[in-house]
Amino acid sequence: EVQLVESGGGLVQPGGSLRLSCAVSGFTFSSYSMNWVRQAPGKGLEWVSYISSSSSTIYYADSVKGRFTISRDNAKNSLYLQMNSLRDEDTAVYYCARERYGSGSYYLDYWGQGTLVTVSS
Amino acid sequence: SYELTQPPSVSVSPGQTARITCSGDALPKKYACWYQQKSGQAPVLVIYEDSKRPSGIPERFSGSSSGTMATLTISGAQVEDEADYYCYSTDSSGNHRVFGGGTKLTVL
Repeated sequence: EVQLVESGGGLVQPGGSLRLSCAVSGFTFSSYSMNWVRQAPGKGLEWVSYISSSSSTIYYADSVKGRFTISRDNAKNSLYLQMNSLRDEDTAVYYCARERYGSGSYYLDYWGQGTLVTVSS
Repeated sequence: SYELTQPPSVSVSPGQTARITCSGDALPKKYACWYQQKSGQAPVLVIYEDSKRPSGIPERFSGSSSGTMATLTISGAQVEDEADYYCYSTDSSGNHRVFGGGTKLTVL
């Protein structure tokens, strides 16, 4: 059974840092690209970042570029998101999601349950 | 930055057909997929590659794409289909992923 479990969320002050983790099981982690997606309270889904299976390719949304860093450890079946210089508008539930690619199509087929990050003084 | 545009809300009676649209300039060359999200839950993939349905998704869910618009159709919508629906695709470079703003489907 495919499972993705996020952790590391919590309350942090503006300007602070937080590191999210996503532990996966049930599939060969090193064969898949991964993404982080967030959802602010009462708002829609927002794509945050992408990392290829070998970490050779990384993309960020403009809203987090220069502040967030995505990484992975294939030996530990884990995905990470280092979040620095946090702002009030970064408050959201953060999801990790597995990406599938085929015939020029990209889609996220498995998601975790999310971890809540609250940025507030 | 690239955007996908969805109507904020769609309302139908049970048994009717619901259609949710998603427009984007890159859609003629990029596939779209669709997610269903019920309150307090993680999103669930209901359509990928414009029109393919993952296993376990009811046949009443279908997708299509023409030009700059992708469409999610729910034929014979049920009360349990009430949810937020999001389209998802990439920009023309294929690098940046993007979600539509979401559509709240009401079935009553």
